[in-house]
Amino acid sequence: NAGVTQTPKFRVLKTGQSMTLLCAQDMNHEYMYWYRQDPGMGLRLIHYSVGEGTTAKGEVPDGYNVSRLKKQNFLLGLESAAPSQTSVYFCASSWGQGSYEQYFGPGTRLTVT
Amino acid sequence: RKEVEQDPGPFNVPEGATVAFNCTYSNSASQSFFWYRQDCRKEPKLLMSVYSSGNEDGRFTAQLNRASQYISLLIRDSKLSDSATYLCVVRRNKLIFGTGTLLAVQP
Repeated sequence: NAGVTQTPKFRVLKTGQSMTLLCAQDMNHEYMYWYRQDPGMGLRLIHYSVGEGTTAKGEVPDGYNVSRLKKQNFLLGLESAAPSQTSVYFCASSWGQGSYEQYFGPGTRLTVT
Repeated sequence: RKEVEQDPGPFNVPEGATVAFNCTYSNSASQSFFWYRQDCRKEPKLLMSVYSSGNEDGRFTAQLNRASQYISLLIRDSKLSDSATYLCVVRRNKLIFGTGTLLAVQP
């Protein structure tokens, strides 16, 4: 099993450009999440999904959109990138909430200039 | 004030030492508690859940004090491979991550 994979691993964008980050999991998990991690701050939840076709806002959703058209994939879109979105983005998945472990992907390092 | 607070460190310890990290959380409605480990430039991975009665996994012991709202992690007989950032995590309706404590084990 590959677990959770993310593409791309690195990306540099200019302000105003758009891009989509792809997350895929092969563990048949219902729940998927997108986080960002910035220096001096803990991981912050951007959006999450509790099942195919569902999405919900997390703590810092502004400037991002998501889609979960297939159970195994969770896409994060930036419509008009801003320097404040320079960050490391992690995708995660889990069987459910509660004490279920979240499995993280390797991350995408995004720089917006 | 952050909901989950940790000493960022770094904690520099020699191999074989015992080291302890504490973490405090502010919301008494927090339901579940965890320690995650994050190696440099890698993804977080679950180290262990934390239970009210305390729990142990090999050289690692986790404790929870609900009355004082703090969580601890004790690492005995530190190895070079223990060098990482340790993230304190609590759950209410979602996971809330601390900023992490950096441990550097020296040879």
